Amino acid sequence: GESVGLHLPTLSVQEGDNSIINCAYSNSASDYFIWYKQESGKGPQFIIDIRSNMDKRQGQRVTVLLNKTVKHLSLQIAATQPGDSAVYFCAERNSGYSTLTFGKGTMLLVSP
Amino acid sequence: DTEVTQTPKHLVMGMTNKKSLKCEQHMGHRAMYWYKQKAKKPPELMFVYSYEKLSINESVPSRFSPECPNSSLLNLHLHALQPEDSALYLCASSQGLGAPEQYFGPGTRLTVT
Repeated sequence: GESVGLHLPTLSVQEGDNSIINCAYSNSASDYFIWYKQESGKGPQFIIDIRSNMDKRQGQRVTVLLNKTVKHLSLQIAATQPGDSAVYFCAERNSGYSTLTFGKGTMLLVSP
Repeated sequence: DTEVTQTPKHLVMGMTNKKSLKCEQHMGHRAMYWYKQKAKKPPELMFVYSYEKLSINESVPSRFSPECPNSSLLNLHLHALQPEDSALYLCASSQGLGAPEQYFGPGTRLTVT
């Protein structure tokens, strides 16, 4: 079936660097793409979402880019901090089904 | 209050036991969800409730039985589970069915022996 996937299972960066986490998707019927952050021992936490008719959306220190041509989603984190260390999941919402399908996740490790 | 609470935090049960997981939210959200998450894997949807009615059952075995007593509470009743059911069980809520922003609880870590 169709699924959301990620290119990199683990990303290690230095504090202060910019981080980019990537995600590939295959379901053209998805109308929303979302990024969640899951810290150890906690449930996932919503970070930012983007509608399928947009290509960029900015939040506080985060930017999500959507390239529908190549079905690619990315999360950019500016000035990465140790508190950003977590597993990041992309998710997509099927416009007809109203549920979220999560991708495989990327572990972000930030060293001081 | 933007918190979803889950009890218990940890649960160990035998294959013949009956236990229940509980979830509560006071954000006025009308949609509530149960997810199962295995180690190093993404959450997998199990059930969705919308306005206290079961809206989606993702072909979950009958040994898992959800219940929504009121708009703030969601239970998951467990009976005759298998060791492979050991996982983190996450509850989430959202303003409405299908809202991209879901609020997750910390989960119940379940071990079936």
